[in-house]
Amino acid sequence: QVQLVQSGAEVKKPGASLKVSCKASGYSFTSYYLHWVRQAPGQGLEWMGIINPSGGSTSYAQKFQGRVTVTRDTSTSTVYMELSSLRSEDTAVYYCARTPEDITVAGTDFDYWGQGTLVTVSS
Amino acid sequence: DIQMTQSPSSLSASVGDRVTITCRASQSISSYLNWYQQKPGKAPKLLIYAASSLQSGVPSRFSGSESGTEFTLTISSLQPEDFATYYCQQSYSPPPTFGPGTKLEIK
Repeated sequence: QVQLVQSGAEVKKPGASLKVSCKASGYSFTSYYLHWVRQAPGQGLEWMGIINPSGGSTSYAQKFQGRVTVTRDTSTSTVYMELSSLRSEDTAVYYCARTPEDITVAGTDFDYWGQGTLVTVSS
Repeated sequence: DIQMTQSPSSLSASVGDRVTITCRASQSISSYLNWYQQKPGKAPKLLIYAASSLQSGVPSRFSGSESGTEFTLTISSLQPEDFATYYCQQSYSPPPTFGPGTKLEIK
């Protein structure tokens, strides 16, 4: 069965960097795009970026440009999201989620999600 | 970016009730609208895609419809496991954007 398993909760200090992993299994890793979506406490869902595991190409939300980097390791079917210059507003649950198509293709939906990784940014 | 709004922001209902949640887009998104259910401490779950198509494994009491830029999620007869927060999401134009959510609570 399809699974996206994320790394565990993290506590970071302001100004630090964060790296969260998402290990995919149960399907062909390079056949689906993987995204990062975050949810601040009690808030809604916010899309951060996408990676094509096949070629490694990425695209990021303008809000996170310059601060987020998404990479992948095809040998372990794992995607990583690195967020730098952390501030308290980055405290959130970070989810990875997959889509069958790139976001430039209309109609794609997030059909499987990871369990989420709680990141707390606090001094 | 396309802005999504939802109404109501919260809703109290009883088991067996018929419930309707509305989502609106700031511009035309054709039928590229998805609905997700999220329970506390869990990841969102895809319920409806392309405005009205039921995701595999989702009970048939869930349905979606559209009228112009207004989209509706209907639960025909609420079950105890349906109390959750519901989000709409447009997949018409990048970046994908979500509505603010509708929290469905037990009356």
